[in-house]
Amino acid sequence: EIVLTQSPGTLSLSPGERATLSCRASQSVSRSYLAWYQQKPGQAPWLLIYGASSRATGIPVRFSGSGSGTEFTLTISRLEPEDFAMYYCQQYGGSPVTFGQGTKLEIK
Amino acid sequence: QVQLVQSGAEVKKPGASVKVSCKASGYTFTGFYIHWVRQAPGQGLEWMGWINPNSGGTNYAQKFQGRVTMTRDTSISTAYMELSRLRSDDTAVYFCARTSYGFFFDYWGQGTLVTVSS
Repeated sequence: EIVLTQSPGTLSLSPGERATLSCRASQSVSRSYLAWYQQKPGQAPWLLIYGASSRATGIPVRFSGSGSGTEFTLTISRLEPEDFAMYYCQQYGGSPVTFGQGTKLEIK
Repeated sequence: QVQLVQSGAEVKKPGASVKVSCKASGYTFTGFYIHWVRQAPGQGLEWMGWINPNSGGTNYAQKFQGRVTMTRDTSISTAYMELSRLRSDDTAVYFCARTSYGFFFDYWGQGTLVTVSS
């Protein structure tokens, strides 16, 4: 199975700053089948990005995804207070689908 | 609007079974796979398997083979996940989630907390 490693484990930033989250795969993710989710405490995950770079419906343009092969990035251009949460990447190019362990984005 | 509404929290003893439901609305139930994903307290997300509501076909993660059963009732647009021989490390929030043209999860249920404790 494909193992996804997210870095950093915790990212401390201030509102208005730019956030860059990384997701590295143990082998190439077929067709860039990689998604990103945001999860807040006590809530279900929320789809942000699929296909490595396509924003899901209703997701603000400050969220962008990039990458291919084994290296993927989620960028939040200017952090809003509501963006501080956990973020998970997920690959669906191989079976079984797998998730990264998450990056916690916290207020500095 | 698309909604997945799950059954309420459960407390079970080790060795027992639990069955969680996921009622879909706002779309054609048989047109989209339903997956189950769990999250232990303070931990990440773990995929358990999927069911094709149209055919009833299933695919389970190897870790849960022999212990998990996913079923559906198309007459009430509801999917079920039953986990047997529960252990304390099965304590988690269990989510159902929908996938469309790729196995990324575009809608999620609210989650069901299953606590396994003697």
